[in-house]
Amino acid sequence: EPEVTQTPSHQVTQMGQEVILRCVPISNHLYFYWYRQILGQKVEFLVSFYNNEISEKSEIFDDQFSVERPDGSNFTLKIRSTKLEDSAMYFCASSGSSGAISGANVLTFGAGSRLTVL
Amino acid sequence: GENVEQHPSTLSVQEGDSAVIKCTYSDSASNYFPWYKQELGKRPQLIIDIRSNVGEKKDQRIAVTLNKTAKHFSLHITETQPEDSAVYFCAAKISGYSTLTFGKGTMLLVSP
Repeated sequence: EPEVTQTPSHQVTQMGQEVILRCVPISNHLYFYWYRQILGQKVEFLVSFYNNEISEKSEIFDDQFSVERPDGSNFTLKIRSTKLEDSAMYFCASSGSSGAISGANVLTFGAGSRLTVL
Repeated sequence: GENVEQHPSTLSVQEGDSAVIKCTYSDSASNYFPWYKQELGKRPQLIIDIRSNVGEKKDQRIAVTLNKTAKHFSLHITETQPEDSAVYFCAAKISGYSTLTFGKGTMLLVSP
C-alpha cells in the first residue's frame, strides 16, 4: 500500500532556530497538506498545496511558516524562527483530489514529525 | 469557517458493547465527513467516511450516520474489541474546499 513518508521522525531544536520538515507524498497524488497536533489535542490544518502553490492556509500558518516542493517528490515545511509553542507533531498528508467535485477528500497521513522546541 | 464539536472526549466500554461517538458541524455547506482512528503515537488513519448525499454507511462493525438538517453525524462501533481502543477523530469538509476540520477527538477504551 502506498505511504506518505516523513523525515525526521523527531527533531529537537532551540527556540529561534530554523527547522525544515520533509515529506514524500504518494507519487500520483496532486494535493499536499500539512497538519499539526499539539500533544493531546486535535489535529489542526496548516496549509494545502496544489499545482506548486498554496491553495488554502489557516490562521496558524503565519509568516514564520513556508512550504515548498523543491523537486518532483519532496514537499517541505519550513519554520523560520521556532517558538516554544511550535512544539507539536507535524503530519504531512496527500490526496488524489481536492474533493471539490466529488466531495470526498481522502487524505493519507504520514507517520508525523515530532518537533520539540526548547 | 467550519467548527466541529465532538463528544464524548473519553468513552470506556466493555468488550462486546457498542460505542457511539457524536459530532456536530457548523457550516451547512459541508459535504464530506470522514472518521479517523489514531492509535497511540501513530498516524491518523481513515476508517470510514460519508458524503452529504447519503444518510448512513456501514462497513462491517463500523457505521456512520449523517443528519444534514441537524448538522450532526455519528460513528457507531458494534461488538467492540480491545484493539478498537484508540482516539477517534471526526472531520468535516466544506464543499469547494479541500481542508478538513477535525473535532477534538474521543479516546475509546475497550476493556476485555
